[in-house]
Amino acid sequence: DQQVKQNSPSLSVQEGRISILNCDYTNSMFDYFLWYKKYPAEGPTFLISISSIKDKNEDGRFTVFLNKSAKHLSLHIVPSQPGDSAVYFCAASAGSNFGNEKLTFGTGTRLTIIP
Amino acid sequence: KAGVTQTPRYLIKTRGQQVTLSCSPISGHRSVSWYQQTPGQGLQFLFEYFSETQRNKGNFPGRFSGRQFSNSRSEMNVSTLELGDSALYLCASSSLPGGTPLETFGSGTRLTVV
Repeated sequence: DQQVKQNSPSLSVQEGRISILNCDYTNSMFDYFLWYKKYPAEGPTFLISISSIKDKNEDGRFTVFLNKSAKHLSLHIVPSQPGDSAVYFCAASAGSNFGNEKLTFGTGTRLTIIP
Repeated sequence: KAGVTQTPRYLIKTRGQQVTLSCSPISGHRSVSWYQQTPGQGLQFLFEYFSETQRNKGNFPGRFSGRQFSNSRSEMNVSTLELGDSALYLCASSSLPGGTPLETFGSGTRLTVV
């Protein structure tokens, strides 16, 4: 039972344009969401997060949007750069007390930025 | 400062064998978590150790086990390997129990079972 779903295994975007990565979840108890970026042969690195009390969080070129009613979140990268080419994982947690809950990850979306 | 170190980087084993993977956390970090990454399932949490005690465990069979030593280094063992155990095994460390999103990941051990 995949509680966090990234339905697009891959995405190609022209350099300079906007990249939009999508993530859906089924567990209504999830209230904290994160995006990780992973390069080949490296571990995932934390990118940006959002709490369920917000619907948007912005950090430089990266913005995460949360639609709680639709159980959907998205990561926007503007403008997209070649170095953004990586696999992006969406993750969710129930409860901000990380001592009790571990993250549930999606299957990842491979983003390729075309120069 | 040195990051999370996982050894070996690559491993090929045959079905039925057992394997031990090693993870050295960032100096001073006492929490070590293990994850399995496969194309179909994404990243799945295996277990977390903090100060030599297992704090959390994911939904994996008992063939998957781990331990943590007094110097915080951790090992993960998989017995009676199955083809489906082929995956990238990632270790992450943090200074706090739970740790996410403060965890720092290693580069992983790619296990292939033939």
